[in-house]
Amino acid sequence: DAGVTQSPTHLIKTRGQQVTLRCSPKSGHDTVSWYQQALGQGPQFIFQYYEEEERQRGNFPDRFSGHQFPNYSSELNVNALLLGDSALYLCASSLGQGGEAFFGQGTRLTVV
Amino acid sequence: GQNIDQPTEMTATEGAIVQINCTYQTSGFNGLFWYQQHAGEAPTFLSYNVLDGLEEKGRFSSFLSRSKGYSYLLLKELQMKDSASYLCAVVNGGATNKLIFGTGTLLAVQP
Repeated sequence: DAGVTQSPTHLIKTRGQQVTLRCSPKSGHDTVSWYQQALGQGPQFIFQYYEEEERQRGNFPDRFSGHQFPNYSSELNVNALLLGDSALYLCASSLGQGGEAFFGQGTRLTVV
Repeated sequence: GQNIDQPTEMTATEGAIVQINCTYQTSGFNGLFWYQQHAGEAPTFLSYNVLDGLEEKGRFSSFLSRSKGYSYLLLKELQMKDSASYLCAVVNGGATNKLIFGTGTLLAVQP
C-alpha cells in the first residue's frame, strides 16, 4: 500500500506564476482534502473533493482551485502566486467525506 | 468563530512524562485528533477521541472533555525521537471531515 503520494516534493516559483500540485490518495480512498501549512503554523483547510466535485472550501481566494479525476487523484492549482503562498501543501485522503484522514508527505512550495 | 489553543513550546527530559493541553471553541464538533509532525514531514496520526474520557495507546494517551472544550495528550517514558510538533485538530462536523488545527506544540526532549 503506497499510502498518499504527492508530487513534486519541492518547488520554487516566481511571483505571478501559476503552479499545479498533485496528489494520489491511499488505495481504496475516494476523498481528497488539501491543506496549507505555513512555517510554524498548523495546517489550514483549503478544500475537499469528493465524487469529482468541490464539497467544502476554507477561507482561501479564488486563485486556489482544484480538480479530482475519476481515479480519485487530485490537483491543486494556484494562480498569480504571492510570496505569502510559500508553504507546505498537504494532501489528505479518506474513505468518504467523514473518514479518517491520512496525510501525504506534502509539497514544499517556495515563491520568490 | 473557530479557535484552538495549544502551548507553543514545551521542554521535557528523556524518560519523563509530559502533558500537552488543547482547548477549543468551534462551531461544530465531531471528534478530536492528535497528530505528531517531525520537521519537514507530514503529520502522522496518534489518537482520536470522540467521547469523553481517556484513550490509551502504548506510551501515548489522550483525554477529552467535550463539556469543557478540552483535551490533552500524555506522553510517557519520553524518548529523544519524541521531539516533534504535536498538533491538536478538531473535526468540524457536517458532511465533511474538515479538520481545524491548532498551531501545534513544539516539544523538545532533552537528555
